[in-house]
Amino acid sequence: AQSVTQLGSHVSVSEGALVLLRCNYSSSVPPYLFWYVQYPNQGLQLLLKYTSAATLVKGINGFEAEFKKSETSFHLTKPSAHMSDAAEYFCAVSENNAGNMLTFGGGTRLMVKP
Amino acid sequence: NAGVTQTPKFQVLKTGQSMTLQCAQDMNHNSMYWYRQDPGMGLRLIYYSASEGTTDKGEVPNGYNVSRLNKREFSLRLESAAPSQTSVYFCASSGGTSGRNAYNEQFFGPGTRLTVL
Repeated sequence: AQSVTQLGSHVSVSEGALVLLRCNYSSSVPPYLFWYVQYPNQGLQLLLKYTSAATLVKGINGFEAEFKKSETSFHLTKPSAHMSDAAEYFCAVSENNAGNMLTFGGGTRLMVKP
Repeated sequence: NAGVTQTPKFQVLKTGQSMTLQCAQDMNHNSMYWYRQDPGMGLRLIYYSASEGTTDKGEVPNGYNVSRLNKREFSLRLESAAPSQTSVYFCASSGGTSGRNAYNEQFFGPGTRLTVL
């Protein structure tokens, strides 16, 4: 069975600082991996996805994530935080190429201080 | 295009009442999903429909039923609501194209916030 662990339910950074949100997964087969963002009172929207084409994946709003098979990790980074990045971020894994069964991590709430 | 729409946005029920959450998508997607979101637990899949006419249980199906009315619509029914079903419910859809490099992301609706007293 697949599972996702996000270390840190809350992360606080200063505006302009590096953002690092951690995600570790377990999967019995090569996984598909995703990061979603949820702004207050909204649904989730896709930030980026890994489908084995490249280990470093670039997404929207300056975010990127690197797939590290040896560490079973898919951490999300952004070089310089902006106030508008404050949101909840979810890592998800799927073992099915049609994406029917997404398993989500518990989420990390990112706070950005001025 | 409206994307994925959900009604209602908010609902308060008493224990034992029933209700149906409605979801519709206008992207001609094959697959549709219902999730619940609870603090610290991320989103958990309740039911999904891989294509029109089929439905399957997800991780937490107990207490819920679903209907894939047509390709556009996928409803979630609570027959006898319980306080444990207080949650935010999200509907999602995806194109469902097969092939590893043709994965289609899931598009989410804005959610329904349900409180069961």
